Amino acid sequence: QVQLVQSGAEVKKPGASVRVSCKASGYTFTGYSIHWVRQAPGQGLEWMGWISPNNGDTKYAQKFQGWITMTRDTSISTAYMELSRLTSDDTAVYYCAREREIRGYSFAYWYFDLWGRGTLVTVSS
Amino acid sequence: EIVLTQSPGTLSLSPGERATLSCRASQTISDSHIAWYQQKPGQAPRLLMYGASNRATGIPDRFSGSGSGTDFTLTISRLEPEDFAVYYCQQCGTSLWTFGQGTKVEIK
Repeated sequence: QVQLVQSGAEVKKPGASVRVSCKASGYTFTGYSIHWVRQAPGQGLEWMGWISPNNGDTKYAQKFQGWITMTRDTSISTAYMELSRLTSDDTAVYYCAREREIRGYSFAYWYFDLWGRGTLVTVSS
Repeated sequence: EIVLTQSPGTLSLSPGERATLSCRASQTISDSHIAWYQQKPGQAPRLLMYGASNRATGIPDRFSGSGSGTDFTLTISRLEPEDFAVYYCQQCGTSLWTFGQGTKVEIK
């Protein structure tokens, strides 16, 4: 079954770090970039960045540069997102999503076709 | 960074009515780079449209997308009860992606 399975909910204190995992199954992990998106309570979707499982290349949204790290372990088809120096503003559901790219002679499309179920990270003292 | 602005913030309609959702970009983007997602409470987003006007697998034909340049539209021709949700547009450009802030379609 093609799916992304995320790690369980976390509760962290301000100033701590959190690492969320995203395990891929049912497809070739190295064939598709993995993105991370978060959603604060009652708010919209915020794109955080992506990692290429093939070569480890990353690209982060400017907002998160310096305090986010995305890694992967191809041996277990798992991507990770680590966020440091947490504050209460980081309380959110964190999703991983698979990027799909379709190319033709005169076109190219990119979109997220597969999502994890989300991991709730709560930052509270 | 390209900013996507969705309007209206909330759309109050009855089942059977037509819904028109707007997504405006802060600069011209290719229609190939626009996607739309639906999200229901407690669920992950679901892909509806890609390349501005291509329906994803399994998406009913009452959903359609259009637009170019800076203005893009998602239309739901006749709202079904399961269509009441939040809708997000998304763009990708130079490896950086952004989402609009969302439009909530609620039952009137």
